[in-house]
Amino acid sequence: AQTVTQSQPEMSVQEAETVTLSCTYDTSESDYYLFWYKQPPSRQMILVIRQEAYKQQNATENRFSVNFQKAAKSFSLKISDSQLGDAAMYFCAYRTSGSGTYKYIFGTGTRLKVLA
Amino acid sequence: EAQVTQNPRYLITVTGKKLTVTCSQNMNHEYMSWYRQDPGLGLRQIYYSMNVEVTDKGDVPEGYKVSRKEKRNFPLILESPSPNQTSLYFCASRKPGTGDTYEQYFGPGTRLTVT
Repeated sequence: AQTVTQSQPEMSVQEAETVTLSCTYDTSESDYYLFWYKQPPSRQMILVIRQEAYKQQNATENRFSVNFQKAAKSFSLKISDSQLGDAAMYFCAYRTSGSGTYKYIFGTGTRLKVLA
Repeated sequence: EAQVTQNPRYLITVTGKKLTVTCSQNMNHEYMSWYRQDPGLGLRQIYYSMNVEVTDKGDVPEGYKVSRKEKRNFPLILESPSPNQTSLYFCASRKPGTGDTYEQYFGPGTRLTVT
């Protein structure tokens, strides 16, 4: 069975600085998808970034980028130029690549605080 | 506007009183799913459905029932709620496929308290 581990329950970053959130996973599959979701105080789940395992290039979305290390089964999220609006709970998630399933595995989350 | 709606958004109930949380999507998505979110545990999948009349258990199905009689609706049923089902519940939907546009949309969440 697949697992997703987020070992940092809480992180803090100064506004305008850079922070990295860690995520490791375990799977025997060779093809899969990894995600970072943001959950602000409104509780809405927002997709931040998505990485396909067969792509070696790390995904980037504006100030958000990932460091995907497939052999190490590591998928960290880097937030550059942190803003107050980045304060939220962040979840790492895994999905198998098969189109015949709808199974997602989520990590336990990292609460990010942004200090003014 | 493409959206997943859930009702009610907040519910306080008592042990053993049957309840249903509704979920509806307007995107004609084949796939729908229910999650529960608990502090320190993240989101865990309860049930999912890949088409009308097709449902499968997720990781924590005990104490829950679902049905998928129509493509747009996927209600979550708690026939005899217990305090350990106090949680934040999310419904989500997506269409089948593996590209960028095939990711899931989440509803706004339902906060359930069972006393």
